[in-house]
Amino acid sequence: DIQMTQSPSSLSASVGDRVTITCRASQSISRYLNWYQQKPGKAPNLLIYTTSSLQSGVPSRFSGSGSETDFTLTISSLQPEDFATFYCQQTSTTPHTFGQGTKVEIK
Amino acid sequence: QVQLVQSGAEVKKPGASVKISCKASGYTFTNYYIHWVRQAPGQGLEWMGLVNPSGGTPTYAQKFQGRVTVTSDTSTSTVYMELSSLRSEDTAVYYCARGRGVLVAGYYDYWGQGALVTVSS
Repeated sequence: DIQMTQSPSSLSASVGDRVTITCRASQSISRYLNWYQQKPGKAPNLLIYTTSSLQSGVPSRFSGSGSETDFTLTISSLQPEDFATFYCQQTSTTPHTFGQGTKVEIK
Repeated sequence: QVQLVQSGAEVKKPGASVKISCKASGYTFTNYYIHWVRQAPGQGLEWMGLVNPSGGTPTYAQKFQGRVTVTSDTSTSTVYMELSSLRSEDTAVYYCARGRGVLVAGYYDYWGQGALVTVSS
């Protein structure tokens, strides 16, 4: 199975901050990397697919980049509604594996 | 609008089975894969398997092979996930999600609301 490792596991940030979350795959996954946001008690919500494509309705402050094994999710200016847990996911091969999550908290 | 509506919470005893439904609406059911993902309390997301509602053999994570069965009913646009030989570690919220993209690769653009399964004696 492909292992996905996110860093950091958690971070504290202020509204307006630029936030970067990284995700590393244990082997090349080309660009089959997605990002989801999950708020407590809710289902995950797709933010970015295939490394850098913004899902419809998602604010443009979210962006993604990377390839092969190293990927990044960036929030250009953190907003109050962005405080949540973020997961990366590879869909290059089954089983589709997720990172362990990054919890973004208010500083 | 696209919706995936799951069945309700279940409480099961160890060793029992649970069957969760995921009813799709708002799109052509047979055009998209359905994936199953679970989340134990306070934990991350774990992929369990997928089914192509238009036919073919479901694909399961090795971890669940022999215990999980995913089926689809095109007459009702519903996918079912049955997990057997339940143990306490199976206590989790189970989600179905619509897969979009190329074959099994791609992304999950719509999710069900989740179904909590509690395994307790």
